[in-house]
Amino acid sequence: RKEVEQDPGPFNVPEGATVAFNCTYSNSASQSFFWYRQDCRKEPKLLMSVYSSGNEDGRFTAQLNRASQYISLLIRDSKLSDSATYLCVVNNSAGNMLTFGGGTRLMVKP
Amino acid sequence: AAGVIQSPRHLIKEKRETATLKCYPIPRHDTVYWYQQGPGQDPQFLISFYEKMQSDKGSIPDRFSAQQFSDYHSELNMSSLELGDSALYFCASSLSRAEAFFGQGTRLTVV
Repeated sequence: RKEVEQDPGPFNVPEGATVAFNCTYSNSASQSFFWYRQDCRKEPKLLMSVYSSGNEDGRFTAQLNRASQYISLLIRDSKLSDSATYLCVVNNSAGNMLTFGGGTRLMVKP
Repeated sequence: AAGVIQSPRHLIKEKRETATLKCYPIPRHDTVYWYQQGPGQDPQFLISFYEKMQSDKGSIPDRFSAQQFSDYHSELNMSSLELGDSALYFCASSLSRAEAFFGQGTRLTVV
């Protein structure tokens, strides 16, 4: 079983749709949580950090449930430019190893 | 703002050759990570350094080694290259447990 698991998708949604991604992690001592976005053949780019209280950045909302070891990302009003792979990333308790989920592919169609 | 710099961007090597990849982290970042990403795969952790000391090791082959120098730049050395080593190699840096920022990667092709 992978340490960080995501549904690989692809999620095919029309423009304007709301889409949610989930991620589970196995190490209960994990300290930091992030969502990254990766476009084909490019480097992962930080989308947002995930805080226990939940956080929102424009159309993006991230939530963390430590009891269930579960992280989510909600994208509202999807744009064509949101098409990418979304990576759930967890930092270990020492903070020196980022573990990636397998990524969830999103395709937003006109 | 300064980002993570990796060099070279592209590298072609023959089997059994040696390759050295370089990474210059964001100034004042204390942690450097190396990742390998094969085609259609998620990034796989290789190794990390905190304040120039190796801190964590992932699925890094014995043929690979890495170090971080006094100026904080890091190098990943890969020897006896195999076809399966062809991948994108990313370096990232962070300030302790805060978010990490990735370089553009080095695309290694072993022929």
